[in-house]
Amino acid sequence: DVVMTQSPLSLPVTLGQPASISCRSSQSLVHSDGNIYLNWFQQRPGQSPRRLINRVSNRDSGVPDRFSGSGSGTDFTLKISRVEAEDVAVYYCMQGTHWPFTFGPGTKVDIK
Amino acid sequence: EVQMVESGGGLVQPGGSLRLSCAASGFSLSSHWMNWVRQAPGKGLEWVANIKQDGSEKNYVDSVKGRFTISRDNAKNSLFLQMNSLRAEDTAVYYCARGRVGVDWGQGTLVTVSS
Repeated sequence: DVVMTQSPLSLPVTLGQPASISCRSSQSLVHSDGNIYLNWFQQRPGQSPRRLINRVSNRDSGVPDRFSGSGSGTDFTLKISRVEAEDVAVYYCMQGTHWPFTFGPGTKVDIK
Repeated sequence: EVQMVESGGGLVQPGGSLRLSCAASGFSLSSHWMNWVRQAPGKGLEWVANIKQDGSEKNYVDSVKGRFTISRDNAKNSLFLQMNSLRAEDTAVYYCARGRVGVDWGQGTLVTVSS
């Protein structure tokens, strides 16, 4: 199985400041169709997960533009340009290239 | 509005069975891969199974192979997960999710396996 790792696992941030989460996969996520199915999910306390980013860098509908994704190969990054109170959540990277699809352990973002 | 409502969770003894359902609305189930993803209490996410639009392809994580069966009824816009031989480690909130890599999720249903 593809192992997804994230760092840091805990990220205290100041409101209005940027935040960055790294994700690494144990093997290439390039699918046979040429796409890289690396996605980012947000799970706020007590809520279901919500997909923020698909295929490395594509924001899903309704996702604020302060969220951005980047990366290639086996290294990927989620950035929040200016953290807001509503961004307190656990963030998961997830690969949808190789079955079984796998998630990273999650990064808990909270406010300092 | 896209909506998915899971049901069928509850308390079951080890070795027992449960059938989860996911009622979809606001979109046509027949156009999408569908998935079951679970989350043990206080833990991370695990993709359990998925099924192609016409049901011709199904995939399972190793830990549930031979025990769980995913199915769908496109005419009724519904997704199912038959869970047999349940174990304590199957205790989790089970979510249904739309699309090959989960663009939309339901609110989940809690399955507790305990004697």
